[in-house]
Formats: sequence, structure tokens, C-alpha cells
Amino acid sequence: DAKTTQPPSMDCAEGRAANLPCNHSTISGNEYVYWYRQIHSQGPQYIIHGLKNNETNEMASLIITEDRKSSTLILPHATLRDTAVYYCIVSYTNAGKSTFGDGTTLTVKP
Amino acid sequence: EAGVTQFPSHSVIEKGQTVTLRCDPISGHDNLYWYRRVMGKEIKFLLHFVKESKQDESGMPNNRFLAERTGGTYSTLKVQPAELEDSGVYFCASSGYRNEKLFFGSGTQLSVL
Repeated sequence: DAKTTQPPSMDCAEGRAANLPCNHSTISGNEYVYWYRQIHSQGPQYIIHGLKNNETNEMASLIITEDRKSSTLILPHATLRDTAVYYCIVSYTNAGKSTFGDGTTLTVKP
Repeated sequence: EAGVTQFPSHSVIEKGQTVTLRCDPISGHDNLYWYRRVMGKEIKFLLHFVKESKQDESGMPNNRFLAERTGGTYSTLKVQPAELEDSGVYFCASSGYRNEKLFFGSGTQLSVL
């Protein structure tokens, strides 16, 4: 799996959009970009994934650059419950055999 | 629909003892994965089952760890004998036939004293 780089921490005001960046400059053509998050001590939770096109679901949007070397996870209206560690993983499958790195700790503030 | 469940949620044992962790995946999920986070480090892959078969066990740290999934339903991860460095959180995840996304359990916090 290709390596990813994420900022260690970010803050966001409640109700505002949270934009979490991820660099994956060595991504291969058929590797997907996956995002998971871990809230406190719970197990990681799937958020969204994409290959080339931008994706949106009930939780978030994923914007992948045209060269696929970076992506941004967007939480459109962050709430306090979105405070978590967000992991960006590049993988051929579901990230099942990946290492979840340090991720970005997002803190949503009132 | 019930999620992935893990038992026990916490386990405290002494060095040299044996511990067995259990994972019940979502019903119908053929793919089952084990992970662990030790010493507050990264969450690392241990092994992958497809039904009852071990598809990939490249992440298993040593032969003190034994995973089974008899009948292709629940899975157990046995540590025998446990060492201090085995302390950490052990996660289980499952995915369905499309294998697109993982559903994780809440983990088992293992403390080896």
C-alpha cells in the first residue's frame, strides 16, 4: 500500500466544515483512498472511499485531485461528536491489511 | 443488525498465562480481520480469514498467537503464553462479500502484568 501523510492535528468550530487533507503521492493507478475514524477508544469506523471521482455519502465528501496524489475529506457541518482521529489509507482493497497510521486528530470546538 | 462484537472488553492476566479473545462478526460476513495496537502505537494488521480459511497471517507477531475460525462464524485469538509486550488493544473487523468496507468491534483491552 502507498504511504500517506496527514497533519497530526486540526481544530474546527462546531457547525463549520472540517477539511482534512491527505497526501499520497505514490498512489498506484488501482489503489483506492479510504477514510476511517476512531472516536475515543472505540473501534475504527468506515467513513468513505474513492478511486478517481469525488464521492459523497451521508457522513462526508471525498475530494480526490486529478493526479490522485492528494485528497480531502470534508465533514460539511462538524459536530462535537465528530471529534476523533481520522485515518487516510491507500489500499487495493478495503484497507483490511493496512496499518492505520497516526492519522489526524480532529477536535471540534463549541 | 448486530455489529461486530468482541469478548471480553477487558482482560487482565499475568505473564505466562493464556488468554483467549473472541470475535463475532456481522452475520453473513465471510471476511474477518484481527488487528492490535500495542504501546499506544499504530493499529496493525494481524491476520485475515475468508470463511474458515486463513487467507493472510503475515501480521502475526510470533507462534504464541493462534487464531481460529471454526465453521466460518466467530473467531478466537489465543495468546499462549502471554508476555508483557502483548498488552494493548485487540480489534476485530468483518466485511461482506464485496469486501469494500470494514466494520470494527469495540476491541479487547489486554493487560499482561
